[in-house]
Amino acid sequence: AQSVTQLDSQVPVFEEAPVELRCNYSSSVSVYLFWYVQYPNQGLQLLLKYLSGSTLVKSINGFEAEFNKSQTSFHLRKPSVHISDTAEYFCAVTPSASGTYKYIFGTGTRLKVLA
Amino acid sequence: GAGVSQSPSNKVTEKGKDVELRCDPISGHTALYWYRQSLGQGLEFLIYFQGNSAPDKSGLPSDRFSAERTGGSVSTLTIQRTQQEDSAVYLCASSRGGSGGVGETQYFGPGTRLLVL
Repeated sequence: AQSVTQLDSQVPVFEEAPVELRCNYSSSVSVYLFWYVQYPNQGLQLLLKYLSGSTLVKSINGFEAEFNKSQTSFHLRKPSVHISDTAEYFCAVTPSASGTYKYIFGTGTRLKVLA
Repeated sequence: GAGVSQSPSNKVTEKGKDVELRCDPISGHTALYWYRQSLGQGLEFLIYFQGNSAPDKSGLPSDRFSAERTGGSVSTLTIQRTQQEDSAVYLCASSRGGSGGVGETQYFGPGTRLLVL
């Protein structure tokens, strides 16, 4: 079975400051990793994902996450945040083996960017 | 349609009543998921449909919950004899299903907010 831990329920940060949202997972099998974002009054949407290849993955709006297998982590970072990044961020994992498709989501981290 | 749609957007019901929640996935997507999001909780997997295969119902919390998918498209989640602890946001997502859904991007609907009084 898999589990996902997002220890920070809320992260306040000033505009243009860097931010890191932490995600740790537990799994006995290989996994794919995802970050989804939910902007206020909108549905969840994919921010970025790691399936294979380079362990550093990037989104189009400046976020990046690095898959660290030894530390079982997939932390999300952005060097300079904007007010518009205020949202709830969910980390998720799913086994990479074919025939498995259950996604396990973390409890989410609310990022609040302050002016 | 352009995205996943869900109806109703909000539902208030009395304890003991049955409710039906509807999901219209993106056209052509063969994989469909239902999740439940309770206050302060992550998304809890409920059920998965892939094409014409038997659904994976292992996430349904009790036998009061059921779901069906007609014609490989629209899905309905039914909760019988609702309880107050069923109050949550119910989310539907779909994906292309080309690889059985593994590793695919899921596209989420706006959710149905259910309140059981």
